[in-house]
Amino acid sequence: QVQLQESGPRLVKPSWTLSLTCTVSGASIINNNDYWNWIRRPAGKGMEWIGRIYSSGTINYNPSLGSRVSMSLDTSNNQFSLHLTSVTAADTADYYCARGRDHVSGLNVWGQGTTVTVAS
Amino acid sequence: DIEMTQSPLSLPVTPGEPASISCSSSQSLLHSDGNNYLDWYLQKPGQSPQLLIRLGSNRAAGVPDRFTGSGSVTHFTLRISSVEAEDVGVYYCMQFKQIPFTFGPGTKVDIK
Repeated sequence: QVQLQESGPRLVKPSWTLSLTCTVSGASIINNNDYWNWIRRPAGKGMEWIGRIYSSGTINYNPSLGSRVSMSLDTSNNQFSLHLTSVTAADTADYYCARGRDHVSGLNVWGQGTTVTVAS
Repeated sequence: DIEMTQSPLSLPVTPGEPASISCSSSQSLLHSDGNNYLDWYLQKPGQSPQLLIRLGSNRAAGVPDRFTGSGSVTHFTLRISSVEAEDVGVYYCMQFKQIPFTFGPGTKVDIK
C-alpha cells in the first residue's frame, strides 16, 4: 500500500523559506511513469496545484508562484521536497503531497496533509 | 490556465436519493490518447482528498459503484446513485491536461 507523509515546520516567519518533505513508502519514487506533486489549500480558499517533479528531473511549477518555488528529490531516502521562499501570510495553508501517474490519473495517492502558518 | 467551474457549490442531500455534480472546463480536456484528463476527488471532513474517478469515467480502486463519472471534452458529471451518510464532504474536479493543473472550486455535500 502506497503511503505519503508530509513533514516540516508548521510555523514559518514572514520572508523566510518554507520547506516541506514528503516521505513515500510502498513505492519507489524512481518509477518512470510516476510524478510527485505538491498541492495546497489556503484557509477559506480553493485547492492550488504547486508543482510536480519526475525522477528524471523534469519539473513543472505553477507560474503563479514565480521563482519562489523549487522542488527536489532524495532518491536515497525515497523523499521529495518543496521549498517556497519569501513567504507571506498568503502562503498560510494546508499543504499536501501526492503521487500522479502519466496517462492514468492526476493525483492518485495523497498524503494526510500538514498545516503551515506564516506568522511572526 | 484552464478554468474549472462546478455546480452547485452546495448540495444538501437525502440518504438514499441520487445526487449529481457538474464540472466544466474553459478548454478541451480530451487528450490525443483519447482520454479526458479530468479527475474527481472527495475530501471528507478532517481528511485529505481521495481519488474517486480518474480520466473522466474510471472509478479508482475501492470506490463504490454508486459513483459514476461521465462526460467529455469540456463538460463532465459526477453522479451518486444513492447517497450514503459517509459521502459527505467536498467534491473537486481537477484537470491535468495542461500545466498548471487546476481545480474546480469544490461542491460541499451534506445531509439535509
